Amino acid sequence: QVQLVESGGGVVQPGRSLRLSCVVSGFTFSSHAMHWARQAPGKGLEWVGAIWDDGNFKTYGDSVKGRFTISRDNSKNTVYLQMDSLRAEDSAVYYCARGLYMSAWTMDVWGQGTTVTVS
Amino acid sequence: DFVLTQSPLSLSVTPGESASISCRSSQSLLHTNGYNYLDWYLQKPGQSPQLLIFLGSSRAPGVPDRFSGSGSGTDFTLKISRVEAEDVGVYYCMQVQQRMCSFGRGTKLEIK
Repeated sequence: QVQLVESGGGVVQPGRSLRLSCVVSGFTFSSHAMHWARQAPGKGLEWVGAIWDDGNFKTYGDSVKGRFTISRDNSKNTVYLQMDSLRAEDSAVYYCARGLYMSAWTMDVWGQGTTVTVS
Repeated sequence: DFVLTQSPLSLSVTPGESASISCRSSQSLLHTNGYNYLDWYLQKPGQSPQLLIFLGSSRAPGVPDRFSGSGSGTDFTLKISRVEAEDVGVYYCMQVQQRMCSFGRGTKLEIK
């Protein structure tokens, strides 16, 4: 079955970096866009960014632009979120999600999330 | 900024009754390809979000037909017919504008 498993979360000091990974299985990874979204404690969802199936198109939300970078390795069925210059307000559960085949902007399958605490 | 206004922020519904959630965008979400780039998601307590409706009105696989999406341009509605206890959670709309996504603030659905 389709699975997305995030990892790499933890506690990090402000200004430092962290890299999250999302390993997928159960579908043809190279045919789908991938998204990252986050949810601060007790808050709503915030879209972080996305990378297209071939990795040639990337887009980010305004709050992370210039600090976060999404990449993917289609040979490893893995998408990454490199987070630099972290701030306290980046503390959240980070989800990776698959872009729907017929509408890449739609997130049709989500992982269970990994928690990042900046403190 | 592309503002997405979701209302109400909370709903309390008796099982078997219907519920509606509105989402209004500050700019049209109707693309030249004829699709409205507006999705609906549900986050049940303690769970990851799940897709309900995409492109304004298309129901995701496995989603009960009690859920329906409608609207075009700037005004959209999610309707839940015959609300059940399992429908509790927070509902989010999400828009795509200028190659970026943004979520509404969410609507918390409770059962009376």
